[in-house]
Amino acid sequence: DADVTQTPRNRITKTGKRIMLECSQTKGHDRMYWYRQDPGLGLRLIYYSFDVKDINKGEISDGYSVSRQAQAKFSLSLESAIPNQTALYFCATRDARVGNTGELFFGEGSRLTVL
Amino acid sequence: AQSVAQPEDQVNVAEGNPLTVKCTYSVSGNPYLFWYVQYPNRGLQFLLKYITGDNLVKGSYGFEAEFNKSQTSFHLKKPSALVSDSALYFCAVRDSNFGNEKLTFGTGTRLTIIP
Repeated sequence: DADVTQTPRNRITKTGKRIMLECSQTKGHDRMYWYRQDPGLGLRLIYYSFDVKDINKGEISDGYSVSRQAQAKFSLSLESAIPNQTALYFCATRDARVGNTGELFFGEGSRLTVL
Repeated sequence: AQSVAQPEDQVNVAEGNPLTVKCTYSVSGNPYLFWYVQYPNRGLQFLLKYITGDNLVKGSYGFEAEFNKSQTSFHLKKPSALVSDSALYFCAVRDSNFGNEKLTFGTGTRLTIIP
């Protein structure tokens, strides 16, 4: 089983619909992240969380919200999806015990298409 | 501000030849540098990182990278390319300033190894 699991892997929805992408991890890491990948733009940070009570905005948080339900679960919501939110979304975790030197561990990605 | 540039969108190399994927960076403090690889329909996988010390860093799958502070570069290299190395490669940087959570990714370089 994957250490970082994302569901759904693929989703097609319509403009205006509410969408939730879920992420769970078995690595025991405190820090969790949501990134968005667009062709030619690399990965951009949407939100990140240090623990259940600590949520922070990334560089492109507008139109998104998150919930850290437990140390192992971090979900991303699009309250009213729009076509330019069509992208590949990645959840990632990091071990806070190694400070800023630690690498990210990524899930397999959730491909979202908004029509 | 921190930034990463991967000047080549696409690199083609014949199997068995050495390969180089280029990366340059900009940070205000000291850099923590990372390389990740993404295979089709998969998440990003960590390859290697430079934190401090020896400028030549060795990582997974026979890859290595050389940190060059004067040229602000962190190029990824492999002495002999395999067809299985074909993938999308991302360079990333984090400024070492305490508390900095932001990992900035380059736009990616697609490496194709030609049999």
